[in-house]
Amino acid sequence: QLQLQESGPGLVKPSETLSLTCTVSGGSLRSNNYNWGWIRQPPGRRLEWIGSIYHSGSTYINPSLESRVTISVDTAKNEFSLRLTSVTASDTAVYFCARQSGQSCRGGSCHSDVWGQGTTVTVS
Amino acid sequence: SFELTQPPSVSVAPGQTVSITCSGDQLGDKYVSWYQQKPGQSPVVVIYQDNKRPSGIPERFSGSNSGNPATLTISETQAMDEADYYCQAWDSSTAYVFGSGTQVSVL
Repeated sequence: QLQLQESGPGLVKPSETLSLTCTVSGGSLRSNNYNWGWIRQPPGRRLEWIGSIYHSGSTYINPSLESRVTISVDTAKNEFSLRLTSVTASDTAVYFCARQSGQSCRGGSCHSDVWGQGTTVTVS
Repeated sequence: SFELTQPPSVSVAPGQTVSITCSGDQLGDKYVSWYQQKPGQSPVVVIYQDNKRPSGIPERFSGSNSGNPATLTISETQAMDEADYYCQAWDSSTAYVFGSGTQVSVL
């Protein structure tokens, strides 16, 4: 059974870089039918899609975050990562990694069908 | 920018039917997904591509998107369906966007 697990610091200082890793088990990142994504949820607020990556390294990032976000993949380790630079208090959220069902998420055909449990990141 | 709007809350009696709406510009031209999120848990997709139900999701969950708004309908609602529900759609200017969320209370 496919499982995703987020890991990384729970506390990040303002102006620094948030780095998270999602480890995939029970399946391969190299699947041709899926992308791998990050989604966050600030306290008491709606979900926000951050971006996704294909095993080839091709990424699709939320335009509102594009200048600060990097998503990378390590197929050998079966994990993918998120870097968010210059964080502020508004970046405080639960960060989820999720499998995006669809070979290409550009165009709107993807949905998040398997989610990690989420990890809380506080910027303070 | 593209936004999705949902009613903040709806309530339903056990065994009855409840519908949740999701409004957005030209939404009928876009795929809509629906996610269920219970307190302290990760979201679970209950409907994708407007009306497709993932394996393991009960048949009482159905979706439609023939215009604006899109609708998630829960038939024969059970206590376990009490949760927050979010719609999601894509727009070329904003990528994937989630709705404001609707809290479903089973009274």
